[in-house]
Amino acid sequence: KAGVTQTPRYLIKTRGQQVTLSCSPISGHRSVSWYQQTPGQGLQFLFEYFSETQRNKGNFPGRFSGRQFSNSRSEMNVSTLELGDSALYLCASRTEGDTEAFFGQGTRLTVV
Amino acid sequence: GENVEQHPSTLSVQEGDSAVIKCTYSDSASNYFPWYKQELGKRPQLIIDIRSNVGEKKDQRIAVTLNKTAKHFSLHITETQPEDSAVYFCAASMAGGFKTIFGAGTRLFVKA
Repeated sequence: KAGVTQTPRYLIKTRGQQVTLSCSPISGHRSVSWYQQTPGQGLQFLFEYFSETQRNKGNFPGRFSGRQFSNSRSEMNVSTLELGDSALYLCASRTEGDTEAFFGQGTRLTVV
Repeated sequence: GENVEQHPSTLSVQEGDSAVIKCTYSDSASNYFPWYKQELGKRPQLIIDIRSNVGEKKDQRIAVTLNKTAKHFSLHITETQPEDSAVYFCAASMAGGFKTIFGAGTRLFVKA
């Protein structure tokens, strides 16, 4: 069974631009969550979607948004990029809450 | 606010020794506590998890204990091996299972 797939793997953007990241979950998984990983900061929760609905959101500015489609694929959008947005963005999928989350390999975003 | 604290941030042990990582969480409604291992350049992967109706769980050299009253949980690795070297994250699931908050991570070095 295919794992969680994130595209693209690497991205370089300029300050002020916007970016869209994609996450395809494991087949049958209806929950997708997104995390920002930076050195020393661990995994910061961005948001979680279940059956196309955002169930929860972390403490990030409104520039960070997301959505989930009917096939459970999810996208994350960051507008007006800042240098501090440079990070590894990980998504994880699971069947439902309180179960094992399977992570993708991440998208490494560099803002210059 | 919702928070998971993890200690220590770095842990260095001799091969064959035990390693203990401790976490505390803030949301008394949390019911699910997974532990993830992230090797360098790889995605986090679940190594063990525990639910609030269980006080201890063991899987070969790895064990996790949970004290719900004190809101503490710990990871114990016995007979450490060099391949145990990685970053370990504890996590607590909140908001009905649709928000998983991670600790900041512990970088474990096992010296041969």
